[in-house]
Amino acid sequence: DADVTQTPRNRITKTGKRIMLECSQTKGHDRMYWYRQDPGLGLRLIYYSFDVKDINKGEISDGYSVSRQAQAKFSLSLESAIPNQTALYFCATSFQGPMSTGELFFGEGSRLTVL
Amino acid sequence: KQEVTQIPAALSVPEGENLVLNCSFTDSAIYNLQWFRQDPGKGLTSLLLIQSSQREQTSGRLNASLDKSSGRSTLYIAASQPGDSATYLCAVNSTTDSWGKLQFGAGTQVVVTP
Repeated sequence: DADVTQTPRNRITKTGKRIMLECSQTKGHDRMYWYRQDPGLGLRLIYYSFDVKDINKGEISDGYSVSRQAQAKFSLSLESAIPNQTALYFCATSFQGPMSTGELFFGEGSRLTVL
Repeated sequence: KQEVTQIPAALSVPEGENLVLNCSFTDSAIYNLQWFRQDPGKGLTSLLLIQSSQREQTSGRLNASLDKSSGRSTLYIAASQPGDSATYLCAVNSTTDSWGKLQFGAGTQVVVTP
């Protein structure tokens, strides 16, 4: 089983609908991230969380919200989806500690299409 | 703001040839630089991470170098194989950002032909 699991893997929805993407991890990491990938633009950070009570906006947080339900779970919501939110979304984890290198571990991605 | 560039955007080589992938960044104040591999429909797989204090890292056929002063990293893949076909991404964690926040390049798409 994957250490970082994203659901759903693919989703097609309509403009104005509320969408939730979920991420769970078994790595025991304290830090979790949501990134978005668009063709030709690389990955951009949407939100990140350093622990359950610490949520931070990233580079492109407008139109998104997140919830850290537990150390292992971090969900991303689109309150009212719009077509330019069509993208590939990635969840990632890392840990902070004496042995940390800063390496990030990614899930397999959730492809979202907004019509 | 840190900017990360990968040139070329796409590369095609015959099997057996060595691959050289380039990554440049504008701010040399970094914690680390990571190289990832992305296969279609798959997530990102971490290949190598180079700490700010290191000059290179090696794993099997892969070698990544880091020159902070010139803002460059190079990923070498020796004796390329068709299975090396993928998109390769580099990402930088700047010291002006929190630990773990990465700035990504747009990637280099590699095709290795048999």
